[in-house]
Amino acid sequence: DIQMTQSPSSLSASVGDRVTITCRASQSISRYLNWYQQKPGEPPKVLIYGVSSLRSGVPSRFSGRGSGTEFTLTISSLQPEDFATYFCQQSYSTPAMFTFGQGTKLEIK
Amino acid sequence: EVQLVQSGAEVKKPGESLEISCKGSGYTFTNYGIGWVRQMPGKGLEWMGIIFPADSAARYSPSFQGQVTISADKSITTAYLQWSSLEASDTAIYYCARRGCNNSTCSRGYYLDVWGKGTTVTVS
Repeated sequence: DIQMTQSPSSLSASVGDRVTITCRASQSISRYLNWYQQKPGEPPKVLIYGVSSLRSGVPSRFSGRGSGTEFTLTISSLQPEDFATYFCQQSYSTPAMFTFGQGTKLEIK
Repeated sequence: EVQLVQSGAEVKKPGESLEISCKGSGYTFTNYGIGWVRQMPGKGLEWMGIIFPADSAARYSPSFQGQVTISADKSITTAYLQWSSLEASDTAIYYCARRGCNNSTCSRGYYLDVWGKGTTVTVS
């Protein structure tokens, strides 16, 4: 099974900061990596698919990079609405396994 | 509007059976897989498995194989997640989500593009 590991598990930052979250896969997943944002009491929503493609309506301050086993999600200038938990997910081994990372909780400093 | 509407919260006792549902609307139900995701209290997302309503083929994460049953009834555009004997450790929010992609060839892979609001299951 492919394991996904995110770092850090939590992160404190201020409005306007630039933050980066890392996701590592236990084996190569090519570019089949997605990022989700989840706010308390809500279901997750997809932000980025295929490493770097922004889902329609997602602000351009979000960006993704990487390939193979190491990937990053960057928020260029944090806004108040960005404080949430972020999950990476691999879709390399579909259709049965959409493994998620353990999540990164982004909190206000 | 494309949406997935999940059934309401459940409170059950250990050993009881349960089926929760997820009704799709606003799209061709048989063209997309429906996945199920567990979120235990205060924890992350866990992929449980997926059903393809066109042929009712189900695939399970090894962690959930034999623990739950995923099914669908395409005539009423509804997917189901079923337990035969609940345990306290099944207490969680369960989300259904549509497996989508960005174009006709899904060249950038699949992702979960539409989510239900979740069904809270409490076993106590």
